[in-house]
Amino acid sequence: QSALTQPRSVSGSPGQSVTISCTGTSSDVGGYDYVSWYQQHPGKAPKLMIYDVSQRPSGVPDRFSGSKSGSTASLTISGLQAEDEADYYCFSYAGSYTLVFGGGTKLTVL
Amino acid sequence: QVQLVQSGAEVKEPGASVKVSCKASGYAFTSYYIHWVRQAPGQGLEWMGIINVGAGTTSYAQKFQGRVTMTRDTSTTTLYMELTSLRSDDTAVYYCARDVRPGGVTTFDCWGQGTLVTVSP
Repeated sequence: QSALTQPRSVSGSPGQSVTISCTGTSSDVGGYDYVSWYQQHPGKAPKLMIYDVSQRPSGVPDRFSGSKSGSTASLTISGLQAEDEADYYCFSYAGSYTLVFGGGTKLTVL
Repeated sequence: QVQLVQSGAEVKEPGASVKVSCKASGYAFTSYYIHWVRQAPGQGLEWMGIINVGAGTTSYAQKFQGRVTMTRDTSTTTLYMELTSLRSDDTAVYYCARDVRPGGVTTFDCWGQGTLVTVSP
């Protein structure tokens, strides 16, 4: 159960788009369509932004989208806003009732 | 509304055990799995395990096998996570979190407020 691999940091200017990758294996990301993405602001509990690879919970802006190709999942944020600056974590089912997080990516809005 | 209210902060010595509680309300308690997640200071999120609240069965991350026990009390709609043989690197905020779907095990959308456990001599 190794952590999924995410870039440590990404950045973008307001209005731009950024993509955060999440690389796993055929035993987790590649094996199931159960990838989620969480946003966490400092001192706050994480918030679910995407589940089942590309589904958005109600209330999450459609600027946030998810996708997957093979064993790599991606979160894309378009029309970047200042409030999007946060840590982002991917999360995947890994079989046999186990799950695993990515290491987290710090998004900086320039 | 759905609420998960956790017990207060704890300070423990190395080698001791800690038991964190998570009181659930506002939904069908036995229909949803509960996950436990922790976050060390300045570090990322770490999935610890999951409990089938209806059946009481559990699955733990390999890292915590043998040291963690997750239980539930259906009469009080309370979940518990006990971690034994505490070390300094167990210092973290511990969260309980409810799965998105009844019977689902793949993601969660409702979190407790977190319980800070500090392990210090």
